[in-house]
Amino acid sequence: NAGVTQTPKFRILKIGQSMTLQCTQDMNHNYMYWYRQDPGMGLKLIYYSVGAGITDKGEVPNGYNVSRSTTEDFPLRLELAAPSQTSVYFCASSYSRGWSTEAFFGQGTRLTVV
Amino acid sequence: RKEVEQDPGPFNVPEGATVAFNCTYSNSASQSFFWYRQDCRKEPKLLMSVYSSGNEDGRFTAQLNRASQYISLLIRDSKLSDSATYLCVVNTASNFGNEKLTFGTGTRLTIIP
Repeated sequence: NAGVTQTPKFRILKIGQSMTLQCTQDMNHNYMYWYRQDPGMGLKLIYYSVGAGITDKGEVPNGYNVSRSTTEDFPLRLELAAPSQTSVYFCASSYSRGWSTEAFFGQGTRLTVV
Repeated sequence: RKEVEQDPGPFNVPEGATVAFNCTYSNSASQSFFWYRQDCRKEPKLLMSVYSSGNEDGRFTAQLNRASQYISLLIRDSKLSDSATYLCVVNTASNFGNEKLTFGTGTRLTIIP
């Protein structure tokens, strides 16, 4: 079973370049999330989506953009990459309301900005 | 105040010992609670949900105290394979009534042979 798939797994960007991190899920989950995790730190929410066409900012949205045109896909766009965006990026998805809101994560994208 | 706070550790515990982690959350309207486990350089994975009455899964026991807004995880008879970072996760209502999962920074556990 595929679950949540992220691409690419690794990427090196130069300062000022842009890129899109891809995320797709095949579980028909309404909720999708993007987190970043800096070395030795916890996960910080960048953006999330409660369904196709609906997105909202998380804790650290600056420098990023998202879109949700379908239930399956939730790409994260980095414009004008900066060294501060060096991090591991995790995409996750979950069912909507309910006490059992388990989140399923992709394997992460390790991004280095030089 | 952070939405979810955990002691970052590290906790270095001998094999076979019992270890306990606590986590506090700030939003009294939070609805559901979880412990996730994250191995080094891997994605987080659900360890267990935390129910109001407390719950147990083998050597792991989770408890919730809504009045004091804290969650705990107890690991008994710890194994080397328990070495990981344990993340406290809270499902909170965000803007417009939507829900979001908020992660604590994690508590790093190392089991020593």
